[in-house]
Amino acid sequence: SQKIEQNSEALNIQEGKTATLTCNYTNYSPAYLQWYRQDPGRGPVFLLLIRENEKEKRKERLKVTFDTTLKQSLFHITASQPADSATYLCALPSGGSYIPTFGRGTSLIVHP
Amino acid sequence: KAGVTQTPRYLIKTRGQQVTLSCSPISGHRSVSWYQQTPGQGLQFLFEYFSETQRNKGNFPGRFSGRQFSNSRSEMNVSTLELGDSALYLCASSPLGDSGSFYEQYFGPGTRLTVT
Repeated sequence: SQKIEQNSEALNIQEGKTATLTCNYTNYSPAYLQWYRQDPGRGPVFLLLIRENEKEKRKERLKVTFDTTLKQSLFHITASQPADSATYLCALPSGGSYIPTFGRGTSLIVHP
Repeated sequence: KAGVTQTPRYLIKTRGQQVTLSCSPISGHRSVSWYQQTPGQGLQFLFEYFSETQRNKGNFPGRFSGRQFSNSRSEMNVSTLELGDSALYLCASSPLGDSGSFYEQYFGPGTRLTVT
């Protein structure tokens, strides 16, 4: 069956460092992969989309890589700030449609 | 543009009752999806509506239903509520779902439903 795996343990890092979050998937051949940010009690916020033929995508301090051979995406936040503390979700289309299916998310905590 | 709005934000219902949640998408977005989020199961897809038609459906029982109106506003209904239906219900709208659109979802703030 299709599965999306994100580290369930919170990632704790110091302000100014680069945070790297991982999204692994099995039994998918996704046309794209998305990353979202979610703050407690609020809806997820779309951050970035990377397509299957793209290796890397950047937006300000964010960088996403997509390795379809390894079936893995890495999400980097450079020069992290306490305001970056949130849960980050990856999402892939599944079931033959373009509707994204979400991973469980990884909590990022940036310490001042 | 105004974002996705959902009403009500909080709701407390009793087991066996029914509930209707409302969602207004971003202007111009015709695709509206509904998700259920719980600590145990994460974010799970309920269904998607496009031009007043249900286009995709997740694995939820028939107690969960929805509809979309001609102005793209959507409602979700849950009948015969169970304790396990307690969750954050999120509505998301997406730009026109043609090929080439990759369904980035723009979420509302959610409705927190508590079933007692």
